[in-house]
Amino acid sequence: QVQLVESGGGVVQSGRSLRLSCAASGFTFNSHTMYWVRQAPGKGLEWVALISYDGSKKYYADSVKGRFTISRDNSKNTLYLQMNSLKPEDTAVYYCARDGGGIAVTGTIDYWGQGTLVTVSS
Amino acid sequence: DIQMTQSPSSLSASVGDRVTITCRASQSISSYLNWYQQKPGKAPKLLIYTASSLRSGVPSRFSGSGSGTDFSLSISSLQPEDFATYYCQQSYSPPFTFGPGTKVDIK
Repeated sequence: QVQLVESGGGVVQSGRSLRLSCAASGFTFNSHTMYWVRQAPGKGLEWVALISYDGSKKYYADSVKGRFTISRDNSKNTLYLQMNSLKPEDTAVYYCARDGGGIAVTGTIDYWGQGTLVTVSS
Repeated sequence: DIQMTQSPSSLSASVGDRVTITCRASQSISSYLNWYQQKPGKAPKLLIYTASSLRSGVPSRFSGSGSGTDFSLSISSLQPEDFATYYCQQSYSPPFTFGPGTKVDIK
């Protein structure tokens, strides 16, 4: 079965960096577009970034552009999110998620991880 | 970027009620609209994709409709396990923005 397991969350000071990882299993990782989606405490879902199946296409929300970098290592079935210049408003649960469309970028998320909490203190 | 709105932001309903949630896009998105259900402390789950296609395994009491800018999610007979927050999401163009959510709780 499809499994997405995030790690790397924690408490970090404003202005510092953090890297999240997402270990994927149960499907052909290198055949799916992948996403990061976040959710601030008590708030709604915010789409953060996408990376195409081969890493050639990346797209970011304006709120993180220039500070966050999405990447993947298909040899390790792992998705990453490098977060630099963190701000208190980046505090959220970060979900790793899979596009249900295979190599196509459909925007439809069919599987989510359990999330990892990032807390940015001021 | 495409902005998504939902109404109502919350509603109270009883088991067995029919419930309808609406979602509006700031521009036409054809039928590129998805619906997700999220329960407290859990990751969201996909219910409906491309406006009206029911994901395999999702109960048939859930249905979606609409195209262009106006969409709706209906639950024909609310069950205890349906009390949750529901989000729409446009999949027309990145960033694939979500609506603010509609919380459905017990009356």
